[in-house]
Amino acid sequence: DAGVIQSPRHEVTEMGQEVTLRCKPISGHNSLFWYRQTMMRGLELLIYFNNNVPIDDSGMPEDRFSAKMPNASFSTLKIQPSEPRDSAVYFCASNHRGGGQPQHFGDGTRLSIL
Amino acid sequence: DAKTTQPPSMDCAEGRAANLPCNHSTISGNEYVYWYRQIHSQGPQYIIHGLKNNETNEMASLIITEDRKSSTLILPHATLRDTAVYYCIVPEADSDSWGKLQFGAGTQVVVTP
Repeated sequence: DAGVIQSPRHEVTEMGQEVTLRCKPISGHNSLFWYRQTMMRGLELLIYFNNNVPIDDSGMPEDRFSAKMPNASFSTLKIQPSEPRDSAVYFCASNHRGGGQPQHFGDGTRLSIL
Repeated sequence: DAKTTQPPSMDCAEGRAANLPCNHSTISGNEYVYWYRQIHSQGPQYIIHGLKNNETNEMASLIITEDRKSSTLILPHATLRDTAVYYCIVPEADSDSWGKLQFGAGTQVVVTP
């Protein structure tokens, strides 16, 4: 079975540019999560969706970050404008809400802002 | 999340069982215990979870104490590929916090030949 698919795997761009990260959740899952991992802060939840609706975005660092889920099989995390401190590994995860079902993670996007 | 406490690191010999402890003394009755691991440069990998009963799957066993205040993840026959950071997580079960996994520092497990 296909797991959570993220693209691109690596992204290097210059400060000020717009960055778009993409995620395809596991088919049939109705919740999707975006995480960020840095050495300083570890793994932290940015935002999550249930049935394509954003439920909690309290982890989004600032207005430069936005996330959308236009349908059940696709989500984007956008940073505009990007800054060097946004450099991190961004993970997407999905699960089926209810019954304690675990989240399953993608392989992440390693983002470097120069 | 209910606060979890794990040792920062532990070593294990290849082929031996690895027993990873986790304390979660403030856990509520309807909160699950989840274990994930992260191998360097990869995404977190789900291992196992449980509520009250002990659980076993193809990867590991989870032993939860009767009072649910602690648990142990058991890797029955550790291999070099089990070297990773292991996270014990107890997410809050209320609707406002549902789904919010809080990753702590975890336990760095090193399996040696």
